[in-house]
Amino acid sequence: DSGVTQTPKHLITATGQRVTLRCSPRSGDLSVYWYQQSLDQGLQFLIQYYNGEERAKGNILERFSAQQFPDLHSELNLSSLELGDSALYFCASSVASGHNTEAFFGQGTRLTVV
Amino acid sequence: EDQVTQSPEALRLQEGESSSLNCSYTVSGLRGLFWYRQDPGKGPEFLFTLYSAGEEKEKERLKATLTKKESFLHITAPKPEDSATYLCAVREKLTFGTGTRLTIIP
Repeated sequence: DSGVTQTPKHLITATGQRVTLRCSPRSGDLSVYWYQQSLDQGLQFLIQYYNGEERAKGNILERFSAQQFPDLHSELNLSSLELGDSALYFCASSVASGHNTEAFFGQGTRLTVV
Repeated sequence: EDQVTQSPEALRLQEGESSSLNCSYTVSGLRGLFWYRQDPGKGPEFLFTLYSAGEEKEKERLKATLTKKESFLHITAPKPEDSATYLCAVREKLTFGTGTRLTIIP
């Protein structure tokens, strides 16, 4: 158990809908990362927050947004969902935001858009 | 832009047959290279961090090494439970390679 908690574990929704994925980082970790992993694809970096502030942005679609709250949990909002958004979404957390800081991953949310 | 390339894409070994996985990287000023293991449908599990060329780290049957341009994950006398995808990553955004899918045949 990495200590990173993601909910829900599974989510099935229809095209055009909006969903929210939640991530609770490890105790003491200030940085949160979000990744998307489609079937047989690599981990695609979406966005990083550090202590409530956006720190880095990857290939995140405009239909997607995220935030990190004062209690350090983070939410990833996905709207106007398309079939191609079906994927595993992972959250990771680390103590700091530096280049040499390892991150620990949650077990992911499997999103299925039908 | 950081780039990470892993090879081979897939590797099948007999139980007990040692081998190495490669991770080549292009970054401006490496501050850390990370190895992870990922089982199907699960989140990546952290294995090692390497900080400087010449550094080595070991965990059970796995040993990770680092040079100025690449890292190797050596697996010695693997067992079927070592079957997984092994990922390497660099820098702050954790730029990942596409991984090596390792299968150990009993």
